[in-house]
Order: sequence, then C-alpha cells, then structure tokens
Amino acid sequence: KQEVTQIPAALSVPEGENLVLNCSFTDSAIYNLQWFRQDPGKGLTSLLLIQSSQREQTSGRLNASLDKSSGRSTLYIAASQPGDSATYLCAAGDDMRFGAGTRLTVKP
Amino acid sequence: DAGITQSPRHKVTETGTPVTLRCHQTENHRYMYWYRQDPGHGLRLIHYSYGVKDTDKGEVSDGYSVSRSKTEDFLLTLESATSSQTSVYFCAILMDSSYNEQFFGPGTRLTVL
Repeated sequence: KQEVTQIPAALSVPEGENLVLNCSFTDSAIYNLQWFRQDPGKGLTSLLLIQSSQREQTSGRLNASLDKSSGRSTLYIAASQPGDSATYLCAAGDDMRFGAGTRLTVKP
Repeated sequence: DAGITQSPRHKVTETGTPVTLRCHQTENHRYMYWYRQDPGHGLRLIHYSYGVKDTDKGEVSDGYSVSRSKTEDFLLTLESATSSQTSVYFCAILMDSSYNEQFFGPGTRLTVL
C-alpha cells in the first residue's frame, strides 16, 4: 500500500524567500506524481504533474522534481509571494494516494 | 476547471438519513472519482468509475455506494448517514490525454448531526 508523507506540515516564510516542500512515498513503482494547491474552503488546483520517466517539471516560479529511487519529490517555489499562501498537496501512484499537505504562509 | 460541478455544495442532515451527492462533468471524461477530505488525513479515495456502469472501490468505501448511468454524472450515496461521514467530498476527473492528470470539482461540505 502506497503511503505518502509531506514534511513539514506547516511552513511560514517572509515574502521573497525561495522554499522547498517535500513529498515522500513508499512505493517507487509509480506512474506519475502530481502537485496541487488548495486554498481555504476551496477545491484542489493542479500545479504540476511529473511522469515516472521525467525528473522534473517547471511552471513559472514552480519547479517539481521526482526521484523515484529515493521515493521523494520536491516542489520548489522561487521568490515567494503572499498569494502563494495555501496548502500544497502531493499525490503519488496510479491510485492517487495523497499526503496530508503542507500549509504555507508567506508573510508580507 | 475541466467543467466539473458538484451539488449540493453544502448539506446538513441527520444520522440515519440517506444522502446523495452529484458530480457532473461536461467533457465526457472516462474516469471519475470520489474523495473525502478530513483534517489530518488528506484526501482518501472512496470509489471511482472507469465508464458507464463500471465502478470500483477505493481506500474508504465502507458505508458508500456509487452509480454512473451516464458518462457525465457520477453519484455518491450514503445509504444511512453517520456522524463519521461528516466531511468535505470532492469529485475528480482524469484527463484522458494528459498522462493521468486529475482535476477536481469545488467540493461538497456534508455535516451529519
């Protein structure tokens, strides 16, 4: 059974800082890994999807990497802004197992 | 938003009553999913569908049933609601041509008293 862990559970940073969110998974035989953003009281917004054959994906200030051998993915956010404040979730594998998320606060 | 709507968006009901949540999509995607989200647990898969009348169980399917009689609608039913089913329920679809990328609906907040 795939288990997905996200550390830290919460993170607070000053505006402009670069930051990394972590996602670990136990079964490396995954088809893909997807990162989402969730604002309070809202649904999930897809940010990036990394296929198993890829090592990273980029979208604007976001970069997601995937290391299947170590069971890890990271989401790098460059030059963070208050609008980036949200909960970030990762989901791994064909059956889309989710981590509990990292709640990010970017302070002006 | 991949054309996904959920109804109702909010519902309060009493223990023991039946409840049906609806997920509607406008783009004829084959795969549809129901998740629940609870504090400390992230999202957990309840049931999913891979076509009309084709459904399967997820991680937390006990107490739930689903039906899909049309491509565009995926219904989640709680036959006899319990307080432990108080949660936020999300529907999702799988984009058929983008390497299994999922898109989510806005969610339904269900409270069982």
